[in-house]
Amino acid sequence: DTGVSQNPRHKITKRGQNVTFRCDPISEHNRLYWYRQTLGQGPEFLTYFQNEAQLEKSRLLSDRFSAERPKGSFSTLEIQRTEQGDSAMYLCASTSGQGTRDTQYFGPGTRLTVL
Amino acid sequence: AQKVTQAQTEISVVEKEDVTLDCVYETRDTTYYLFWYKQPPSGELVFLIRRNSFDEQNEISGRYSWNFQKSTSSFNFTITASQVVDSAVYFCALSGKDSNYQLIWGAGTKLIIKP
Repeated sequence: DTGVSQNPRHKITKRGQNVTFRCDPISEHNRLYWYRQTLGQGPEFLTYFQNEAQLEKSRLLSDRFSAERPKGSFSTLEIQRTEQGDSAMYLCASTSGQGTRDTQYFGPGTRLTVL
Repeated sequence: AQKVTQAQTEISVVEKEDVTLDCVYETRDTTYYLFWYKQPPSGELVFLIRRNSFDEQNEISGRYSWNFQKSTSSFNFTITASQVVDSAVYFCALSGKDSNYQLIWGAGTKLIIKP
């Protein structure tokens, strides 16, 4: 059983461009979370899915951000019209969703640099 | 509201020394969950332990041990005979009904083990 995977691992883009990240959760994990982490800080919650349903979104998730999880498998996070303030590590985590106390297992993250 | 405080921003010790990372939390929940994660320079968050609030038994895993003290709202992490590979940022996190079971993160403690 492989862990959570994320692609790409690194992304450098120019301000104003759109970027899309992908997360593949642990097989059969039905909950998937997205976080953002800036240097020297802990992760900040962005959104999460239960299967294909997006159940909660943080106020950090502006209109330029959109996340999907078609068919309840992998998920994508898109940022439109990127800004320099979007530069961060974007982390994905998954849980089995068997109970609210489940442990979140994280992927390696995608490091975004906006020039 | 829930809150996690890791007062130690950075700790530096020489290899083979023991080191304790402090974590103090605040919550109104009677049932809650505490976590420790390790984040090495590669960036991936690695799950170390989950502790339920109703289980105050301390835990040892190899060189790692955790001391959960409900009376002082603390969940401290000790590394015995530290090694250079232990160098990382360590995060303490809390979840409970009050946060809709989202992880509330501390700011992290950067641990530097010098050879």
